[in-house]
Amino acid sequence: QVLLVESGGGVVQPGRSLRLSCAASGFTFSSHAMHWVRQAPGKGLEWVALISSDGSNNYYADSVKGQFTISRDNSKNTLYLQMSSLRAEDTAIYYCARDPRAVAAKAFDYWGPGTLVTVSS
Amino acid sequence: DIQMTQSPSSLSASVGDRVTVTCRASQSISSYLNWYQQKPGKAPALLIYAASSLQSGVPPRFSGSGSGTDFTLTISSLQPEDSATYYCQQSYNTPLTFGGGTKVEIK
Repeated sequence: QVLLVESGGGVVQPGRSLRLSCAASGFTFSSHAMHWVRQAPGKGLEWVALISSDGSNNYYADSVKGQFTISRDNSKNTLYLQMSSLRAEDTAIYYCARDPRAVAAKAFDYWGPGTLVTVSS
Repeated sequence: DIQMTQSPSSLSASVGDRVTVTCRASQSISSYLNWYQQKPGKAPALLIYAASSLQSGVPPRFSGSGSGTDFTLTISSLQPEDSATYYCQQSYNTPLTFGGGTKVEIK
C-alpha cells in the first residue's frame, strides 16, 4: 500500500535551517509529482511546494519562495524540503503528499502523517 | 492568487441529516476543485476530485457538484464517523489554495 513517512521535524531557533525528508513506498515514486503542505497549530491547510516527477520543475507558495527548496531523489524514493531562515510563522505540521499524476494534477491523493516543526528560541 | 471561500465555517447536524458545504472561488476554475476530510490529529484524506469524482474507497454518501466558481460537497446521510473538518482546494493553477475549512459536528 502507499506509504509516506516524514521525518526531520523538531524545535529550531529562528534564523536556523532544517531539512525535512519524506520516505515513500508502495508505489512507483518516480511516476508521481509530489507536494509539501503545512498546517499551523489550530489553523487550516497551506500548500507549500510542488515538484514534478523527474524533479525538473518546482513551484512554491509566495510565503516560502526563496526560503524553502523542494527536491527529490528518485533512486532513494525520498522527497525533501530544505527550509532556511526559519521564522516563528513557519511553525506547523508539514505533510508530504502525493500527486495522482506525473504531470501534476495538483491534487493530493495520499498524505503522510506529518512532522511538526516548531520555530522558537 | 485564487481565493477559496467556504461556508459555513462550522455546522452541527444529526445522524441521518443531509449536510451541504459550499465553496466559492474568486475566479472561474472550471472543475479543478477537490474536497478533503480531516479528522483531529490526522492527515487530510481526499474525498472528491475534479469537483464530482469520488475517490476510491470513499462512501457513496459523499458527493460533489459545481463548476466555474461555485461548488458543493454533500453528505446525503450524516454518520457519526463523518465528524471532521472539510476543506476545498483548487487545482486550477499554482499557488494551490485551500478554503478555510468547515467543521462538521454531530448533535
